[in-house]
Amino acid sequence: QLQLQESGPGLVKPSETLSLTCTVSGGSISSSSYYWGWIRQPPGKGLEWIGSIYYSGSTYYNPSLKSRVTISVDTSKNQFSLKLSSVTAADTAVYYCARNSNGFDYWGQGTLVTVSS
Amino acid sequence: DIQMTQSPSTLSASVGDRVTITCRASQSISSWLAWYQQKPGKAPKLLIYKASSLESGVPSRFSGSGSGTEFTLTISSLQPDDFATYYCQQYNSYCTFGGGTKVEIK
Repeated sequence: QLQLQESGPGLVKPSETLSLTCTVSGGSISSSSYYWGWIRQPPGKGLEWIGSIYYSGSTYYNPSLKSRVTISVDTSKNQFSLKLSSVTAADTAVYYCARNSNGFDYWGQGTLVTVSS
Repeated sequence: DIQMTQSPSTLSASVGDRVTITCRASQSISSWLAWYQQKPGKAPKLLIYKASSLESGVPSRFSGSGSGTEFTLTISSLQPDDFATYYCQQYNSYCTFGGGTKVEIK
C-alpha cells in the first residue's frame, strides 16, 4: 500500500523559507505514470494546489505562487520536497503531499506549518 | 486561470436523502474533473475522477456526471458516514479546487 509522509518544521518565521519533504513508501517515486504534488489548506478554509513534479524533475506550479515555490525530487531517497520563500502569516496552513494521477489519489496525513515570529 | 465554483456552500440533509452538488468551471475542462470527500482533521479522499469514473473502493452510491463546464456529484442515499465537506478539482490546465460544499445533518 502506497504511503506518503510529510516532514519538516512546524513553525517558520515571517520572510523565511518554508521547507518540507514528502517520503514515499510502498512504491517507487520513479513510476512513469505519476506526478507528485503539494497541496495546502489554511485553517478552516479550502484546498489550494501548490505545484507538482515528475520523477525526471519536470515541474509545474500554481501561477499565483510560482515566484516563491521550488519543488524538487530525490529518486534515490524516494522523496520530493517543497520550498516556499518569503513566507507570511497567509502561508499558515496544513501542507499535504499527494500522488498526482487522475486527480490526487494518495495523500499524506498533512503537516501544520505556522508562520509566526 | 480556470476558476471552479461549487454550489451550494452548505447543504443540510437527512440520512437516506438524495444529494446533488454542482461544480461549474469558468471555461471548458472537458472531463478533467475530480471529486473529493474530506472529514475534519483528515486528508481529502478521492471519490470520482474523469468526471464520472468511480475510484476503487468508493461506494456505488456516489456518482459523477457532466462535461465541459458543468458537473455534478450525486449521493443516491446519504449515509451517516457521508457527512463531510466535498471538493471538486479541475486538472485540464494546472489544478484548481472548488470552494467546497459542507454536507450537514438536517
